[in-house]
Amino acid sequence: NAGVMQNPRHLVRRRGQEARLRCSPMKGHSHVYWYRQLPEEGLKFMVYLQKENIIDESGMPKERFSAEFPKEGPSILRIQQVVRGDSAAYFCASSQAGGTEAFFGQGTRLTVV
Amino acid sequence: QKEVEQNSGPLSVPEGAIASLNCTYSDRVSQSFFWYRQYSGKSPELIMSIYSNGDKEDGRFTAQLNKASQYVSLLIRDSQPSDSATYLCAAQDVALGKLIFGQGTTLQVKP
Repeated sequence: NAGVMQNPRHLVRRRGQEARLRCSPMKGHSHVYWYRQLPEEGLKFMVYLQKENIIDESGMPKERFSAEFPKEGPSILRIQQVVRGDSAAYFCASSQAGGTEAFFGQGTRLTVV
Repeated sequence: QKEVEQNSGPLSVPEGAIASLNCTYSDRVSQSFFWYRQYSGKSPELIMSIYSNGDKEDGRFTAQLNKASQYVSLLIRDSQPSDSATYLCAAQDVALGKLIFGQGTTLQVKP
């Protein structure tokens, strides 16, 4: 059973470009979390999704950031018009249901130059 | 705002000692609690889950839950230098179902 797959592992974008991060949950998992982590800091919750539904996006910046988890295919975290402050590690986790064990992917390291 | 609180540390223990990591949570009705380990530059790894009051043991790890005190702890027996990492506590937000993470406690095991 494959784990949570994130791609790309590393992403470099110039200021103003769009970054698109993908997360394929574990088989049988229908819930996905996205977190951001700056060096030497804790995990910052961004968004919690179920297939075709955003359950909680209280951690998402109001502008430039969006997330989706379609019925088919991976969950996507999209960052438009990236700025240097967006440089961070973005982790995705998946679970079978809310409040159950969540497993993390390897993360995407975004660098904005 | 529901929260999970951890002492950021670092907690330093000698090799072979018991490391005790603590966590408190604010959501009184939370039912599910988890401990994750994160090595520097890596993603968090689930090491323990606990749902009932009392102790749960898995190898050198013991998770303890006290719902009345809203307190979760993780004991690591016979600590090894390879246990040096950041340990994250997580609790379920019952209303939304999502997991809420603490800031993590950095553990240093000195040879």
